[in-house]
Amino acid sequence: NAGVTQTPKFQVLKTGQSMTLQCAQDMNHNSMYWYRQDPGMGLRLIYYSASEGTTDKGEVPNGYNVSRLNKREFSLRLESAAPSQTSVYFCASSGSSYNSPLHFGNGTRLTVT
Amino acid sequence: KNEVEQSPQNLTAQEGEFITINCSYSVGISALHWLQQHPGGGIVSLFMLSSGKKKHGRLIATINIQEKHSSLHITASHPRDSAVYICAVIPGNLIFGKGTKLSVKP
Repeated sequence: NAGVTQTPKFQVLKTGQSMTLQCAQDMNHNSMYWYRQDPGMGLRLIYYSASEGTTDKGEVPNGYNVSRLNKREFSLRLESAAPSQTSVYFCASSGSSYNSPLHFGNGTRLTVT
Repeated sequence: KNEVEQSPQNLTAQEGEFITINCSYSVGISALHWLQQHPGGGIVSLFMLSSGKKKHGRLIATINIQEKHSSLHITASHPRDSAVYICAVIPGNLIFGKGTKLSVKP
């Protein structure tokens, strides 16, 4: 009964370093999402994937890349981290219907120094 | 631009009080979510609704599509209800409000 599993929980990077955030869901959901959450702002969509093999940009995609490796997994990559990418990142998944509930991972707290 | 506005931003209540959190939006939507973010950071979906009213335990969510407004009510509030409550609307991809931070004092 894992739901959405997101790793790592915490990460500290130096400016210019790269890393990949991993996300996997076991609910057979078609749609997966990456959000960032910053103080004083609502969750903002970075990228999403409506189905295996497809990805689309969200509101704040610059500096990120994603891969929908298969139906279960959706990873987020920071190629060259910047302090502006210090944030809490959430992965989420949902069924295909617009009225499907969202399921969130526990978040990754990333600090870029 | 703030397409989703929540009020109040912060709310402190005494245990047992009836609580209302409001969400107004300016775009046409197909559905609206209410989410709860625990102090530890995890986010849980409470409700998803496109019309009328839904109830789960002490939580009630209502939506008025014509007025572009939704409310989340908590009856007989308890300290464990302390969390950030987030409204999100679906015109396409989700648009999130900034959240309402609720603190319930014993």
